[in-house]
Amino acid sequence: DAKTTQPPSMDCAEGRAANLPCNHSTISGNEYVYWYRQIHSQGPQYIIHGLKNNETNEMASLIITEDRKSSTLILPHATLRDTAVYYCIVSGPWGGATNKLIFGTGTLLAVQP
Amino acid sequence: GAGVSQSPSNKVTEKGKDVELRCDPISGHTALYWYRQRLGQGLEFLIYFQGNSAPDKSGLPSDRFSAERTGESVSTLTIQRTQQEDSAVYLCASSSDRLTISDEQYFGPGTRLTVT
Repeated sequence: DAKTTQPPSMDCAEGRAANLPCNHSTISGNEYVYWYRQIHSQGPQYIIHGLKNNETNEMASLIITEDRKSSTLILPHATLRDTAVYYCIVSGPWGGATNKLIFGTGTLLAVQP
Repeated sequence: GAGVSQSPSNKVTEKGKDVELRCDPISGHTALYWYRQRLGQGLEFLIYFQGNSAPDKSGLPSDRFSAERTGESVSTLTIQRTQQEDSAVYLCASSSDRLTISDEQYFGPGTRLTVT
């Protein structure tokens, strides 16, 4: 079972920031939060991951609450090519265990022109 | 560099036939995963290979499903006596899986299997 809860869909205007929420209230102390996205008819693509601290890379920012029970993926300037299903995944613990990704149904982000 | 590749990209087979799907991971990646994605659904974990360790087969849905991996290279997923419910996109992913830090998985484009 997926350990995360996400809204099924969201809209965002092109050029604006897209903020995608995720609840993971049962996360364990050594589990990471991963975000992947899947553009139609393609395999999933890694975006970002984090443990406790906020993270930023060239694609997005990840904000994790202090209690780690929820997080937000931020795409700072959404483009039409960012239209995809975004998956928030909790995975771990690390150290020899299978790092299998339990995908839920994700959030379909539709970027509008 | 080359990413994860899978073949065939599409496979149509008759119910009851066996099929074999192939995955070529990124060179140097020790970990390899197979997932299944049914239409409109998320990904289901099937099996995981890590180096020479025994594979984690906990996600295989039945004994009709099996997978092999030769060393740290190619993997094949075999489905025997295919059923219509096996119709899905089968995705392969690899990662360097260094076990000391988390590492992302890189996915192939998938094989779309249709059982008629």
